[in-house]
Amino acid sequence: RKEVEQDPGPFNVPEGATVAFNCTYSNSASQSFFWYRQDCRKEPKLLMSVYSSGNEDGRFTAQLNRASQYISLLIRDSKLSDSATYLCVVLDTGTASKLTFGTGTRLQVTL
Amino acid sequence: DAGITQSPRYKITETGRQVTLMCHQTWSHSYMFWYRQDLGHGLRLIYYSAAADITDKGEVPDGYVVSRSKTENFPLTLESATRSQTSVYFCASSDPGDSTEAFFGQGTRLTVV
Repeated sequence: RKEVEQDPGPFNVPEGATVAFNCTYSNSASQSFFWYRQDCRKEPKLLMSVYSSGNEDGRFTAQLNRASQYISLLIRDSKLSDSATYLCVVLDTGTASKLTFGTGTRLQVTL
Repeated sequence: DAGITQSPRYKITETGRQVTLMCHQTWSHSYMFWYRQDLGHGLRLIYYSAAADITDKGEVPDGYVVSRSKTENFPLTLESATRSQTSVYFCASSDPGDSTEAFFGQGTRLTVV
């Protein structure tokens, strides 16, 4: 079983739609959680951190459920510029700053 | 320029040759990482380093060697390149004392023929 699992997609949605991505992780001792965004043929960049209380940044909302070892990302009012691959990332306790990446979920927003 | 840079950006090499990918960061981040990215596998950690002269294996270290004599540099060497090492390689750095955000270089696209 992979340490971090995501649905690879692709998710094809029209502009203005709401789309949700899910991610599960296997290490219950994992410490911190993130969503990264990767554009085609570019490097990954941090989108947002994920906190147990849930957090929002504009049209993006991230949630963490530690009991279920589940992370989500919700994008509201999708824009063409949101088209990218979204990577779920977990930071493991005991190997500080060793980030483990999911394989990514590809989003394509269309007119 | 401040940031993290990788070189070369593109490399074609022959099977059996040794090749070194360079990574340089200007932030003095303590942690540095090498990942490879392949279709269907996502980003997989090859090696990482917590500080100068401290390195450790990641998920897929076989066939690779790293060194970190200076904080700012973290070269990755393929001792005898194989076709299975054709991939996009990303170097990253982070500083847990500041934030755990990892900053990535632009990647090196390596083709082994």
